[in-house]
Amino acid sequence: GNSVTQMEGPVTLSEEAFLTINCTYTATGYPSLFWYVQYPGEGLQLLLKATKADDKGSNKGFEATYRKETTSFHLEKGSVQVSDSAVYFCAPYLYNQGGKLIFGQGTELSVKP
Amino acid sequence: KAGVTQTPRYLIKTRGQQVTLSCSPISGHRSVSWYQQTPGQGLQFLFEYFSETQRNKGNFPGRFSGRQFSNSRSEMNVSTLELGDSALYLCASSLGTAEDYGYTFGSGTRLTVV
Repeated sequence: GNSVTQMEGPVTLSEEAFLTINCTYTATGYPSLFWYVQYPGEGLQLLLKATKADDKGSNKGFEATYRKETTSFHLEKGSVQVSDSAVYFCAPYLYNQGGKLIFGQGTELSVKP
Repeated sequence: KAGVTQTPRYLIKTRGQQVTLSCSPISGHRSVSWYQQTPGQGLQFLFEYFSETQRNKGNFPGRFSGRQFSNSRSEMNVSTLELGDSALYLCASSLGTAEDYGYTFGSGTRLTVV
């Protein structure tokens, strides 16, 4: 079936450290892929997206590359800040279920000064 | 421009009661989707409305229903509340399909069933 697997959290990093949050998915075809971020007490915000193989989505220093061969969409940032502390969700768009985003379980990131 | 507005922000209800949650999408957005977020199950899709028609539905019992009005505002209703319905309910709007535009989410309604 269709599913999304994210790296388990919480992930704790020091400021300016390198961040990777792994995401792999199973789906029919080549879905558009998204990363969303949820700050405490708020709804989800779109962080970045990629719509086809080898596309790289980027925003606010975060990047993710659509890897068709490994069905992955790992999120990276070269130097995290305390303000990046949040929960991050990977989400493919699934056509074959009427069209909807399916979210991973979320990865909590905590950045210490 | 105003974001997605959900009301109320917090709600406490008793088992067996019913509840209605409201969502006003971003102006011009015709698609509204609803998700339930819980610590155990994460984010689960409830349904999507587009131009007053339900376009897609998740795997929730019939106690969960929704509708969309001509101004794109949407409501969801949960009847005969159960303790397990306690969750954050998130509404999201989109200009077209989420595939092309992604969603813009509201801050959610926190429902507690006691």
